[in-house]
Amino acid sequence: GENVEQHPSTLSVQEGDSAVIKCTYSDSASNYFPWYKQELGKRPQLIIDIRSNVGEKKDQRIAVTLNKTAKHFSLHITETQPEDSAVYFCAASYGGADGLTFGKGTHLIIQP
Amino acid sequence: NAGVMQNPRHLVRRRGQEARLRCSPMKGHSHVYWYRQLPEEGLKFMVYLQKENIIDESGMPKERFSAEFPKEGPSILRIQQVVRGDSAAYFCASSPPSGFSGNTIYFGEGSWLTVV
Repeated sequence: GENVEQHPSTLSVQEGDSAVIKCTYSDSASNYFPWYKQELGKRPQLIIDIRSNVGEKKDQRIAVTLNKTAKHFSLHITETQPEDSAVYFCAASYGGADGLTFGKGTHLIIQP
Repeated sequence: NAGVMQNPRHLVRRRGQEARLRCSPMKGHSHVYWYRQLPEEGLKFMVYLQKENIIDESGMPKERFSAEFPKEGPSILRIQQVVRGDSAAYFCASSPPSGFSGNTIYFGEGSWLTVV
């Protein structure tokens, strides 16, 4: 089955700086890569996703890049703000019936 | 459009009791997934269901755990004879009927189970 590795487990950045979270996946058949943000005690919320037919996608301060050859994808957050503090999860799927496989999460801390 | 609805939000059970967690998918969604999240850990897939069918239960423990999604009513995750290690947040998610071909899944608010 699919295996997703996520790094770093904790990331602390100064407010206004950029944050980058990286994930690798093992199954070359995977074709869908969402990112979820989870605040303490809350549900995971989809913030951005990318499919394997594109290499990059942007939504305001958030962008995701995908390198299919290397089997890795990254989340980029620019001009970070205090409300960006949360745990971020990457995930991968090939569209099969076994659901999304999640990384272990990155705790992003925005320092004022 | 109401989101994925889960109840109860918090549940306390003594060791050996049964826990029942309910999930109603988003309107128009017919695919339901259950995930478990242990404290300070990621989300682990448990089971994928469609109406009256279990499609994939490869992530669910073979004993004490069961899930169903009846023709009428919510999906139910049932944990029999709970143990302390079952304490976790259980998230339900749903996706549209076109299937899980990379479609987005939406999570409910979760059910926090505490076993004492």
